[in-house]
Amino acid sequence: GEDVEQSLFLSVREGDSSVINCTYTDSSSTYLYWYKQEPGAGLQLLTYIFSNMDMKQDQRLTVLLNKKDKHLSLRIADTQTGDSAIYFCAEVRGAGSYQLTFGKGTKLSVIP
Amino acid sequence: DAGVTQSPTHLIKTRGQHVTLRCSPISGHKSVSWYQQVLGQGPQFIFQYYEKEERGRGNFPDRFSARQFPNYSSELNVNALLLGDSALYLCASSLVGDQPQHFGDGTRLSIL
Repeated sequence: GEDVEQSLFLSVREGDSSVINCTYTDSSSTYLYWYKQEPGAGLQLLTYIFSNMDMKQDQRLTVLLNKKDKHLSLRIADTQTGDSAIYFCAEVRGAGSYQLTFGKGTKLSVIP
Repeated sequence: DAGVTQSPTHLIKTRGQHVTLRCSPISGHKSVSWYQQVLGQGPQFIFQYYEKEERGRGNFPDRFSARQFPNYSSELNVNALLLGDSALYLCASSLVGDQPQHFGDGTRLSIL
């Protein structure tokens, strides 16, 4: 099947904004998620957006959803060194399905 | 409040052996899902259980099985281990099947 696509690497300077992009596959996805994974750890749920929304803001995080293009983005304002991690976009694929389908992840490196 | 807990944290096995991984969900969560994350990739869905019944199965061989207990904890069993089974096995729980999934720190399984 088709893959959830993400760019693999992103490098930003501390204090700048980071934008991580994702293209998903299933137009019927009800929820779309962003997870953060630090080295040696599990996945931390950062935020999620319901498919009938086009934007969600949560402190330094802003999620934008473009359903027409199946495009999801995560903006991190005032990026800090502690934000360095791998960020995964995930969709719930298929009506009645609760399984998450993940992209390969974007490794964010924050330069002090 | 305790998050999702998994045991053991690390495990080393040899080819042909079997393994049992354990997961305790967040208190009050009734759904448990299992994912396999190979190095450098996003997690791949293996199973979802809700109220002790299997609600979803990913594209994994029959060597993989799971169950959920009355207290909503879960076990993942893998028989006849192969080198390719080396991975981080993640458990996630949610209130019900279609709610956001929260992950544990995983069990890192190495096959020699």
